[in-house]
Amino acid sequence: DAGITQSPRHKVTETGTPVTLRCHQTENHRYMYWYRQDPGHGLRLIHYSYGVKDTDKGEVSDGYSVSRSKTEDFLLTLESATSSQTSVYFCAIRSGQPTEAFFGQGTRLTVV
Amino acid sequence: SQQGEEDPQALSIQEGENATMNCSYKTSINNLQWYRQNSGRGLVHLILIRSNEREKHSGRLRVTLDTSKKSSSLLITASRAADTASYFCATEEGGSEKLVFGKGTKLTVNP
Repeated sequence: DAGITQSPRHKVTETGTPVTLRCHQTENHRYMYWYRQDPGHGLRLIHYSYGVKDTDKGEVSDGYSVSRSKTEDFLLTLESATSSQTSVYFCAIRSGQPTEAFFGQGTRLTVV
Repeated sequence: SQQGEEDPQALSIQEGENATMNCSYKTSINNLQWYRQNSGRGLVHLILIRSNEREKHSGRLRVTLDTSKKSSSLLITASRAADTASYFCATEEGGSEKLVFGKGTKLTVNP
């Protein structure tokens, strides 16, 4: 497996609480991505990063923020979790075009 | 809205048959990729086809790309029960590094 780990793997949190998911890579890849996966929607891009402190929004970025202070870590924060953010979150990394992306194992987040 | 759309949403076939999945996309691309996802796992890359290629093979996989129609197809020949998974196409939106996926095709191969 590519050197990419997500933490935590599972989390249950209450509505209104902040939540941070972490993606850590050991590959020194430039690009990192956060997706959410929901039935009927496939994978939807939340945010991605093209370098340290360089990030951009995806198609479903509302309610999410990200930070990348080091090459190896990409954090996804839900400032105030809502039930609609219950989902499986995947992190991916890649070195750039035209290369493949490597995915983490996913984080299952439940907001109650 | 999502860049890629796979068709059909679900496909059920018998072992040994061929499986064909299609992907349509919206903007210009530099390349298109196909991924596989086993239930509950992360996606795994299968094959990449560049915009100047029309067809590419990898083992039992055959991918075609028609940039004039903004579409691609993935053919899995002589399918096996182990091919049961969801399959996704992915493109870089507008040629950027923004990698976006479709909704996927869920393939079931019956033994």
